[in-house]
Amino acid sequence: DAGVTQSPTHLIKTRGQQVTLRCSPKSGHDTVSWYQQALGQGPQFIFQYYEEEERQRGNFPDRFSGHQFPNYSSELNVNALLLGDSALYLCASSPQDGETQYFGPGTRLLVL
Amino acid sequence: QKEVEQNSGPLSVPEGAIASLNCTYSDRGSQSFFWYRQYSGKSPELIMSIYSNGDKEDGRFTAQLNKASQYVSLLIRDSQPSDSATYLCAVKPHRTGGGNKLTFGTGTQLKVEL
Repeated sequence: DAGVTQSPTHLIKTRGQQVTLRCSPKSGHDTVSWYQQALGQGPQFIFQYYEEEERQRGNFPDRFSGHQFPNYSSELNVNALLLGDSALYLCASSPQDGETQYFGPGTRLLVL
Repeated sequence: QKEVEQNSGPLSVPEGAIASLNCTYSDRGSQSFFWYRQYSGKSPELIMSIYSNGDKEDGRFTAQLNKASQYVSLLIRDSQPSDSATYLCAVKPHRTGGGNKLTFGTGTQLKVEL
């Protein structure tokens, strides 16, 4: 039973560029959440997708957007990258009627 | 006041001792609480969840919840060097409607020394 998968594992971009990160949820899970974790900090909630809709959003600017596909996989898009966007981006999945979230391995983004 | 607060540590304990990790939260309506372990350079791994006041035990781990004091803790018995990691406390804030966003503390770094 595959867990949560994310791609790519690492990414280097320059300021102003755009990036797309991908996530496949754990088998049987239909809800995907995205978090940003800066060095030395706890994960910060970006948004959550369920039934291909954004169900809840954290305090992140509109440069951060997402999408969920019919197979429950998800993408996180970040436009106009800033140096401060450098972080570990984590995807977590959960069943719709459950609260426990399981994290993928993360994508480490470096913005130069 | 931060929504979820943890002492950043490091907390150093000798091998075989009990490690006690603490967390306080500000949203009195919170109902669900989680402990995650995060090794350096890795993603968070779920250890335990707790929803009711009292203790919940799973192997060497015991989670304790006191909603009146807005306090949740994690005890690790017989600490091993492999327990050395950052422990993240996560809380699902009270919210009407859908969504199960988690709010995390900054984590407590635990070092188990030989």
